[in-house]
Amino acid sequence: EVQLVESGGALVQPGGSLRLSCAASGFTFSTFYMTWVRQAPGQGLEWVANIKPDGSESAHVGSVKGRFTMSRDNAKNSLYLQMNSLRAEDTGVYFCARGASLLDYWGHGALVTVSS
Amino acid sequence: EIVMTQSPATLSVSPGERVTLSCRASQSVNNNVAWYRQKPGQGPRLLIYDASTRGTGVPARFSGSGSGTEFTLTISSLQSEDFAVYYCQEYNNWPRTFGQGTKVEFK
Repeated sequence: EVQLVESGGALVQPGGSLRLSCAASGFTFSTFYMTWVRQAPGQGLEWVANIKPDGSESAHVGSVKGRFTMSRDNAKNSLYLQMNSLRAEDTGVYFCARGASLLDYWGHGALVTVSS
Repeated sequence: EIVMTQSPATLSVSPGERVTLSCRASQSVNNNVAWYRQKPGQGPRLLIYDASTRGTGVPARFSGSGSGTEFTLTISSLQSEDFAVYYCQEYNNWPRTFGQGTKVEFK
């Protein structure tokens, strides 16, 4: 059974940093593109970033470019999102998902709250 | 960036009813559209991809159609677990974009 479990969500002050993790199991993690999607409170879904299977290349949406970095460790079946210079508008639930076009499995999400 | 516009924003229906949700793209996305269902407190579940192909284990009551800029998700007979929010998403361009969602609520 495919499982994706996010962790690392927290309350952080504006300008602060946070690293989210996503533990993958039930499939050959190293052969799949992976994606982070976020959802502001009561709002819709926003694509954040995705990464190639070997981790050699990642792409980030404009609103987070230069502040967020997506990475992976295939030996640990883990995905990461390093978030720096956090802003109030980054508040929301962050989901990891399998794929980079259609997303066929999703985690339950990690809540990030940026507030003073 | 492609804008995906869903309608209606909210749909009030009774169990057993047939439901049709719409999604319009601001420019052609060919058939590169997926539909998801999201229940409260959960991550979305893939229902349809390539506009009309059901995902693994998705019940036959869900069907998708369309190409280019106009897409439709149909639920032939609404079940209790289908009261949720539905999102369309295009994957013809980068960044991928989602519609704003249609909430299907109990009448």
